Amino acid sequence: QAALTQPASVSGSPGQSITISCTGTSSDVGAYNYVSWYQQPPGKAPKLLIHDVTYRPSGVSDRFSASKSGNTASLTISGLQAEDEADYYCSSYTTSDTFLFGTGTKVTVL
Amino acid sequence: EDLLLESGGGLVQPGGSLRLSCAASGFILSNYAIYWVRQAPGKGLEWVSGISNGGNRAYYADSVKGRFTISRDNSMDTVYLQLNSLRAEDTALYYCTRRIMPGPTFDSWGLGTLVTVSS
Repeated sequence: QAALTQPASVSGSPGQSITISCTGTSSDVGAYNYVSWYQQPPGKAPKLLIHDVTYRPSGVSDRFSASKSGNTASLTISGLQAEDEADYYCSSYTTSDTFLFGTGTKVTVL
Repeated sequence: EDLLLESGGGLVQPGGSLRLSCAASGFILSNYAIYWVRQAPGKGLEWVSGISNGGNRAYYADSVKGRFTISRDNSMDTVYLQLNSLRAEDTALYYCTRRIMPGPTFDSWGLGTLVTVSS
């Protein structure tokens, strides 16, 4: 059960947009529209940002958006802010009725 | 407010056992599948185990299958994770989380309980 592949780090200046990719296979990301994204600030528990590829729970800023194409999902943060500094993880349901998390991406605001 | 609170972590020797508990408040536990996700120090998230809302279906990652057992007592609003034959690589912060079907939508997380396996 290999983890989904994410870039180790992404950085941007305040106000810029950044995109984090999440690459899997046809047995997970590519199989269903069941990809979620989580934000984990340092020393804190993960927080749900996106579910079912594109849906934001209530209370999550609309600066966060996501999409999927084939076996790769993407999370975009627009209007980058200092408070966005955190680790970000994708997650996907798999054809084996299990879950995979991504390797995680550290976002740094320059 | 919907809350999950983990307990039961600690220091244990390799080969030892622990039982983790996840207590729910603010919502009806029996309406939800509950999952355990762990995070080794400085590492990423790893799904470990899950149990259906009624307790009749349990799921395990290959890394813990045969060693960990998940169960629940809905009358006590609590989910348990029995950890046996522990290894150094099981050292991690263990989170319990509430799943919103059908995808990997975990919308509420506890603060975690730390399991350290060391001699």
